Formats: sequence, C-alpha cells, structure tokens
Amino acid sequence: TQLLEQSPQFLSIQEGENLTVYCNSSSVFSSLQWYRQEPGEGPVLLVTVVTGGEVKKLKRLTFQFGDARKDSSLHITAAQPGDTGLYLCAGRNRDDKIIFGKGTRLHILP
Amino acid sequence: KAGVTQTPRYLIKTRGQQVTLSCSPISGHRSVSWYQQTPGQGLQFLFEYFSETQRNKGNFPGRFSGRQFSNSRSEMNVSTLELGDSALYLCASSFTSVGVDTQYFGPGTRLTVL
Repeated sequence: TQLLEQSPQFLSIQEGENLTVYCNSSSVFSSLQWYRQEPGEGPVLLVTVVTGGEVKKLKRLTFQFGDARKDSSLHITAAQPGDTGLYLCAGRNRDDKIIFGKGTRLHILP
Repeated sequence: KAGVTQTPRYLIKTRGQQVTLSCSPISGHRSVSWYQQTPGQGLQFLFEYFSETQRNKGNFPGRFSGRQFSNSRSEMNVSTLELGDSALYLCASSFTSVGVDTQYFGPGTRLTVL
C-alpha cells in the first residue's frame, strides 16, 4: 500500500519564525500536490510538483519535490497568523487513486 | 467561474437511515471525486467518476455508492448509516492538463449520525 506520511503532525510557532513540514513515501509518485484546509472548508490547492528536484515558490512558501519523487517539503518563511491551517500533501498512486497524507496542523501564534 | 458546490452543508441523521449528498462541479470539469474526512483517518478516497462512469473506487463497504449525471453533477448515497459514518464528506472536481490532475474541492457536507 502506498502511503504518504506527513511530519510533524502538529506545529505551533511564533509569528515571524521559519518552519518546514515534510511529506514522505517509500513509493514513487508521478506528481505531488500540497493543499491548505481551514476549519469548515474544503482543501485549497497550493501547488503541484511534477519533476524530481523541482522547487516552486508561492510568496513566502517554498515547495520542493525530492529527486527520487518519493518525498516533498514545504518551507514557510516568516510565518504569519494567516498561515494557520491544516497542510495536506496528496499524490496519485499506481492504482490511479489519489491518496492524502493525514496532514500537518500548523498554528502561528501572534 | 463558480466553484464546486455541495448540498446540504450540514446533515443530522440517525443510525439505520440513508442519506444522499449532492455535488455540482466547476463548469467544464468532467471528473468528480468523493472523499471522507475524519480526525482519525484523515482524507480517504471514496470514488471517482468521469463522464458518468465510475473510474475508481476506494476501500469502503457497499453501503457507500455514487453516480454521476450527464451534466457532470454527482451524488453519493450512504445506506444503513452507522455512527462511524459521521464525517466531513468532500467532493472535488478536476481537469487534467499536461498529464496532471488539478482538483478543486467543495466546502463539504458535515454528516452527523446519532
């Protein structure tokens, strides 16, 4: 079974700090996506990474896809309270099903 | 374009009842997927429909079923509800570009089974 494991599960940091969350698998994915979900809402797509080693930036968020396409990371610079939410990674496995990690719940303290 | 809409947003049912949830995808999207989200298990894939055909199915019992209409709108049905079916049910519509799916989620239907 292809799994996506996210770490840490929970993270609470002060505004202005930097942080990195991880999404790891023992399997190769053709692409990985990162979502952010806020309470009472559905996940919102942040980015899709496709090529091994790819780095994408979205303002203060930097996403990286591992060279072997088995893992990905999300780095946030100078975190702000508006970054608070549940961050999910997802990929389509070889059975053509989209699987999600259980997420990292991030809380930025003002 | 309007986003993905789901109705109802909240639902309370009792054990043994059945429920039907509705999803209207973004205009032009032909693929609709359903997910169950719970605190313990996270987001779990239920099924995916494309052009009225079920393209893929997750590991859920047969009490969970779905369908898609010619206008791409989709419904999912859960029969003989159990307490453990309490969850947020999310629908996502998607399109494929350059071989990559891009999913857009609706706000979900919060189902509580008493």
